[in-house]
Parts: sequence; structure tokens; C-alpha cells
Amino acid sequence: DAGVIQSPRHEVTEMGQEVTLRCKPISGHDYLFWYRQTMMRGLELLIYFNNNVPIDDSGMPEDRFSAKMPNASFSTLKIQPSEPRDSAVYFCASSASHLGSYNSPLHFGNGTRLTVT
Amino acid sequence: AQSVTQLDSQVPVFEEAPVELRCNYSSSVSVYLFWYVQYPNQGLQLLLKYLSGSTLVKGINGFEAEFNKSQTSFHLRKPSVHISDTAEYFCAVRPNTGGFKTIFGAGTRLFVKA
Repeated sequence: DAGVIQSPRHEVTEMGQEVTLRCKPISGHDYLFWYRQTMMRGLELLIYFNNNVPIDDSGMPEDRFSAKMPNASFSTLKIQPSEPRDSAVYFCASSASHLGSYNSPLHFGNGTRLTVT
Repeated sequence: AQSVTQLDSQVPVFEEAPVELRCNYSSSVSVYLFWYVQYPNQGLQLLLKYLSGSTLVKGINGFEAEFNKSQTSFHLRKPSVHISDTAEYFCAVRPNTGGFKTIFGAGTRLFVKA
């Protein structure tokens, strides 16, 4: 089990540029989550998918943020245009529901540290 | 809606001493409770979880937590800490009525001194 894989590990970009963060969930997991971690706000849930369909995007801060999950093994989080206040660590996590039960833990990737200058 | 309060932002402790990290939650429905640990430059890893049944749950690395429904608490304990336990610890809550939306506390940084 390779775990949740995120790329890149670090991204430094200039304000106004487009940024794309990538995530490969654990095979067989049907839920995928994007979180953002900052010192000021802690861990914030941005959006999550079930079977590739967005279920709740109420945490997405602005229209500059978008997320897609074209298939069960890949998701992207895009910021366009990026701003310095978007600097944070972005985590992807996945989990599996079993027979309608939702008690499985989240499995996190190692995150992408984004710096917007 | 659910919320989680971790009462201490930082906890310094000497090696081999006991430690308790406090967590209180608020919810109008029954919940699942989790503790995660985050080492530097890594993602969060599950320490333990409470789903139902026995209120004392044991996790990895010698940690345990006790669910107290009347006090809406889920405090994490370890009887003797090691330098390698230095990390950030997150308490999390999820409604057990369906869905995976998980809310995390602000985290407690445990610093173990030699």
C-alpha cells in the first residue's frame, strides 16, 4: 500500500500564477478530501468527493479555487490566480466507506507546501 | 454542526513523565472521535479512534484516550513519554449519522524534553 501520494511536495510561485496540486488516493478508497493547514486557521476542509463526485465544497474559499476528480485514482486542486494569502500546506486524504458505515479514519498524504510570493 | 476545542496549544513535558492532552467537543448528534499525530513535514496519522462500546480506547505508541459523554471530552494520555513523541496532536470529530465530514481541533504541540 503506497499510501496517499501528493505532488509536488513544495511549490513556490509568484502572485497571479496558476497553481495545480495533485493527489493519488489509496486504491479502493471511495472518498477523497482536500484540506488546507495554516498557523492561523489550523486544518480547514476545502472540499470532498465521493466516487469522483464533489459532495461538499462549502470550504472552498473563493472562485479562484477549483477541484476536480476525473477518475478514482486522481484529483487536482487548482488556484488561479494565486495570491500570497494562499500560502499554506495543502493535504489530500482518502477513506473508504463500508456497507454504508462511515467510521474509517482518514489517510493523509504528506502535503504540498505552497508559497506564493 | 460540530466543533472541537483543544485546550492547550503547547504542552512541554520531561521524558518519561506522564502527559494528558485535552480535547472537548460540541455536537447535537452522536459522534465518532479520533486522535491524529503529525510529525514535522508529514501528513496526519491515526493514533486511535472511538466508535462505540468501551469508553477507554488504546492506540499506537502506548497512547490511550477516554471518552466521557457527560463532559463531552476525549482526552489523550500516555503514562511515560519519549523524545520521539514530540509532535503535534489533533483531536477530530465526525457525526456518526452518515457522511465523512471530519472537523479537526487546532492541535496541541507536545514537546518532550530530555
